[in-house]
Amino acid sequence: NAGVTQTPKFQVLKTGQSMTLQCAQDMNHEYMSWYRQDPGMGLRLIHYSVGAGITDQGEVPNGYNVSRSTTEDFPLRLLSAAPSQTSVYFCASSYSQETWNQPQHFGDGTRLSIL
Amino acid sequence: AQSVTQLDSHVSVSEGTPVLLRCNYSSSYSPSLFWYVQHPNKGLQLLLKYTSAATLVKGINGFEAEFKKSETSFHLTKPSAHMSDAAEYFCVVSDGGYSTLTFGKGTMLLVSP
Repeated sequence: NAGVTQTPKFQVLKTGQSMTLQCAQDMNHEYMSWYRQDPGMGLRLIHYSVGAGITDQGEVPNGYNVSRSTTEDFPLRLLSAAPSQTSVYFCASSYSQETWNQPQHFGDGTRLSIL
Repeated sequence: AQSVTQLDSHVSVSEGTPVLLRCNYSSSYSPSLFWYVQHPNKGLQLLLKYTSAATLVKGINGFEAEFKKSETSFHLTKPSAHMSDAAEYFCVVSDGGYSTLTFGKGTMLLVSP
């Protein structure tokens, strides 16, 4: 049981490049989300999904796109990378959208640097 | 609206001494509260959660937290620190229902021999 798997673990991009951060979970979880973690800021929600075909914006969605074509996968796309997007990105999942009651399962993160 | 404040960005203790990590919250409803731990280069792991049952919540690795509604606090404690407890700790609040989670900015726990 792999849990939540994020790839790549590290990435360096140039300003203006695009890329996709991959997230997959094998727990048949309904709810998936993407966070970014910056020093002294905690985790901030970028986008989330309550099920296949359903996505919504979080606190800091600008510059990012998501889609949820399957239950297992929830990729995060950077459309045109900017230095302000240098961060550590975490994908999380939980059994249901009842986040008040369900523990979040986190991947190990993708460390992204934009030059 | 919900918010959470972790009162200390860094806490330093000696191995074997008690740990206290402080968290205050603000919520319009009856909140659910969580503590997560993050070890270096890892994702977050759930330590414990409060969801309107017993106000004293026991978690993994000897940690516990007490929900105090009158003080809007949810402080994390452990009687005796271990070197392996050195990590960053996050207090998290949810207003309930299908709302999203709000994370505190984190408290780095440093444990010296």
